[in-house]
Amino acid sequence: GENVEQHPSTLSVQEGDSAVIKCTYSDSASNYFPWYKQELGKGPQLIIDIRSNVGEKKDQRIAVTLNKTAKHFSLHITETQPEDSAVYFCAASAGNFNKFYFGSGTKLNVKP
Amino acid sequence: GAVVSQHPSRVICKSGTSVKIECRSLDFQATTMFWYRQFPKQSLMLMATSNEGSKATYEQGVEKDKFLINHASLTLSTLTVTSAHPEDSSFYICSAYPSSGGSDTQYFGPGTRLTVL
Repeated sequence: GENVEQHPSTLSVQEGDSAVIKCTYSDSASNYFPWYKQELGKGPQLIIDIRSNVGEKKDQRIAVTLNKTAKHFSLHITETQPEDSAVYFCAASAGNFNKFYFGSGTKLNVKP
Repeated sequence: GAVVSQHPSRVICKSGTSVKIECRSLDFQATTMFWYRQFPKQSLMLMATSNEGSKATYEQGVEKDKFLINHASLTLSTLTVTSAHPEDSSFYICSAYPSSGGSDTQYFGPGTRLTVL
């Protein structure tokens, strides 16, 4: 089955700096890679996703890159703000209603 | 759009009792829903896949007789924790795939905090 690894487990940055979270996956059948933000006591919220036919996707301060050959994908947050502080999860899926395989999560702390 | 609700948001119960958690897709139909369990500072652990009109598919190690799942309509799945024990205390989260459009994206509910005394 699929195995998703996520690094780092914690990340502290100064407000305004960039943050990068990396994930690797093992199953070449995976073709959909979402990123979720989870605040304390709440459910995960989709912030960006990418499909395997695309190498990069950007939405304002958030971007995701995918390297299919190396089987890794990354989340990039620029100009970080204190409200970006949360736990971020990556996931991989074969799409088409298949289950998600989640990374272990990264706790991002943006210091004012 | 794509809103998933859960009820209740918090529940406290005594050992030995059963608790039902509801998961609703508010503005879309969902043939497939998932139930997850999350321990503090850990990732989401998939418990089961809930399919409308059929039996749920449980992940290895999850007791189907303890965690009863019913997906009776295209907008509602329920998880019943039977004969709850303190070790069942956890954060339970559901998610749903919109049925239309060959969706890749799961939308998550806000979670239910279960505390068993």
